[in-house]
Amino acid sequence: DSGVTQTPKHLITATGQRVTLRCSPRSGDLSVYWYQQSLDQGLQFLIQYYNGEERAKGNILERFSAQQFPDLHSELNLSSLELGDSALYFCASSPRDRDSQPQHFGDGTRLSIL
Amino acid sequence: AQSVTQLDSHVSVSEGTPVLLRCNYSSSYSPSLFWYVQHPNKGLQLLLKYTSAATLVKGINGFEAEFKKSETSFHLTKPSAHMSDAAEYFCVVSGSVSGGYNKLIFGAGTRLAVHP
Repeated sequence: DSGVTQTPKHLITATGQRVTLRCSPRSGDLSVYWYQQSLDQGLQFLIQYYNGEERAKGNILERFSAQQFPDLHSELNLSSLELGDSALYFCASSPRDRDSQPQHFGDGTRLSIL
Repeated sequence: AQSVTQLDSHVSVSEGTPVLLRCNYSSSYSPSLFWYVQHPNKGLQLLLKYTSAATLVKGINGFEAEFKKSETSFHLTKPSAHMSDAAEYFCVVSGSVSGGYNKLIFGAGTRLAVHP
């Protein structure tokens, strides 16, 4: 058990809809990272938050946004969903931001767009 | 910029035989390197990490990896495969985005199959 909790485990919705994925980091970790894993793109870094502030952006679409709350949990919002957004979305956490600490991953949310 | 290449998309071994999963990296500075494992419908689990302390790194479940700077390689090995080792393995380099912030760059993955 990594200590990182993601909800829901599965989400099925339709094109054009909006969904929110939730992540609770490991106790004591201040950084939260979001990743997308799809068959054609592999594992890609989306965005990082540290103690409530956005720290780094990767290949995140403008239709996607995220935030980290004062209790350090994070939410990833996906809007105007397209078929290609179907993927496994992972959250990871680490103690700090600028270090080589390995990140601990949650079990992911599998998003299916019909 | 950092990158990582996993040389085999699929590896198949018999139970009890050695495992070799190959990874080459590219980095403009001394990298941090990791191997993660992903079992079906599960998240990623850290197997081991290299952060310049020692070139031979021992991880969990009998896995180890050797950092070879001259070959820019970080291959993962295990002396004897077990059925439970069947999973997808990712070689990862810790890179930086603007401002020097930490970001993990993943290889495409190697799917390991273990046969009885």
